[in-house]
Amino acid sequence: NAGVTQTPKFRVLKTGQSMTLLCAQDMNHEYMYWYRQDPGMGLRLIHYSVGEGTTAKGEVPDGYNVSRLKKQNFLLGLESAAPSQTSVYFCASSHSPGTGSSAKNIQYFGAGTRLSVL
Amino acid sequence: DAKTTQPPSMDCAEGRAANLPCNHSTISGNEYVYWYRQIHSQGPQYIIHGLKNNETNEMASLIITEDRKSSTLILPHATLRDTAVYYCIVREDNYGQNFVFGPGTRLSVLP
Repeated sequence: NAGVTQTPKFRVLKTGQSMTLLCAQDMNHEYMYWYRQDPGMGLRLIHYSVGEGTTAKGEVPDGYNVSRLKKQNFLLGLESAAPSQTSVYFCASSHSPGTGSSAKNIQYFGAGTRLSVL
Repeated sequence: DAKTTQPPSMDCAEGRAANLPCNHSTISGNEYVYWYRQIHSQGPQYIIHGLKNNETNEMASLIITEDRKSSTLILPHATLRDTAVYYCIVREDNYGQNFVFGPGTRLSVLP
């Protein structure tokens, strides 16, 4: 059972380059999330998706775009990378919340993508 | 979501119980307490959660005070592999957006 898989694990970009980070989950979760974590800090939400074809902004969305064309995949794009986007990026997924078990609110995280922008 | 306060760091001897406190004095009646941990920059890992009753699973126990204004995560027999940053998060069950991860508590398990 793979859970949440992120690719690539590491990447170095030059300023102005573009790239896409891929997140895939095999738990049939409705919700997916992209976070970034800077050194010594907690995670901050970039964008999230509540279902296929829908996305929404989180706390720090500027400079990023996302797409959720398939339920199991959530893509994070950097159109023109900047040094300030050097960070570790984590993807997570969860069931849709609401009535029923509170366990639906549990988010499961991938191993992360370490991105350096020079 | 209610704000949480945790000590920045704690030490624990290997084999002893690790008790990690969390204050959430503004918690509302429908907010749950969740605990996650992050080992050496890996993805955060879910540990346990609860509403008002004490909870136990294979990883840990969660003790929530009667007034729900604070809680304690207990790792009964800490090992070196439990060295991590532990995050206490309070949020509603039906709030489907992000978990707000603060600085957490850095637990060091010492041999």
